[in-house]
Amino acid sequence: GAVVSQHPSWVICKSGTSVKIECRSLDFQATTMFWYRQFPKQSLMLMATSNEGSKATYEQGVEKDKFLINHASLTLSTLTVTSAHPEDSSFYICSARDNFQPQHFGDGTRLSIL
Amino acid sequence: QQQVKQSPQSLIVQKGGISIINCAYENTAFDYFPWYQQFPGKGPALLIAIRPDVSEKKEGRFTISFNKSAKQFSLHIMDSQPGDSATYFCAASRMNRDDKIIFGKGTRLHILP
Repeated sequence: GAVVSQHPSWVICKSGTSVKIECRSLDFQATTMFWYRQFPKQSLMLMATSNEGSKATYEQGVEKDKFLINHASLTLSTLTVTSAHPEDSSFYICSARDNFQPQHFGDGTRLSIL
Repeated sequence: QQQVKQSPQSLIVQKGGISIINCAYENTAFDYFPWYQQFPGKGPALLIAIRPDVSEKKEGRFTISFNKSAKQFSLHIMDSQPGDSATYFCAASRMNRDDKIIFGKGTRLHILP
């Protein structure tokens, strides 16, 4: 089946640093990738949608300059949280999809900013 | 109109019982209704999904019932097991438009051993 790998699974860093999270589709070409944020006991909140080779489309209220998304190939998308602060601590989940197919989700990255 | 309303927020069921989670939507353009299962610290995994041209879909112990006229759909877990304890999300999207998924707020299911 379709597998989406997310790395790292857990990261702790100091306030003010930048953190990069990778999302890879292992056995299919992901024409579209999505990034979500999930707070404890809450639903997934879509942050942005990215298509390979194009600029990401951000949801309302999501800071483009803070959450940099790159979808440089059909199997890799990255989310960089720039100048991270404690309020950015959350569970970040990516998903990937081939044209008009269901989304497949990664296992998430727990980000803790000290 | 983009919302998907899910209930209950939490559910406790005895082992062997039937777990039922309900969802309602407003946008009649939705044409794909998946259910996701999420364990703590993991991403959501697609459990079962249905298109609006059928009223029921069954996969093992999991069944989706779909009522197009009422714009409601539900997940039934038969013979519920402690391993089914997780958070369940219903969702809706427009597959033919390659749209984003709209998630419900989730139901935390706990199966008593």
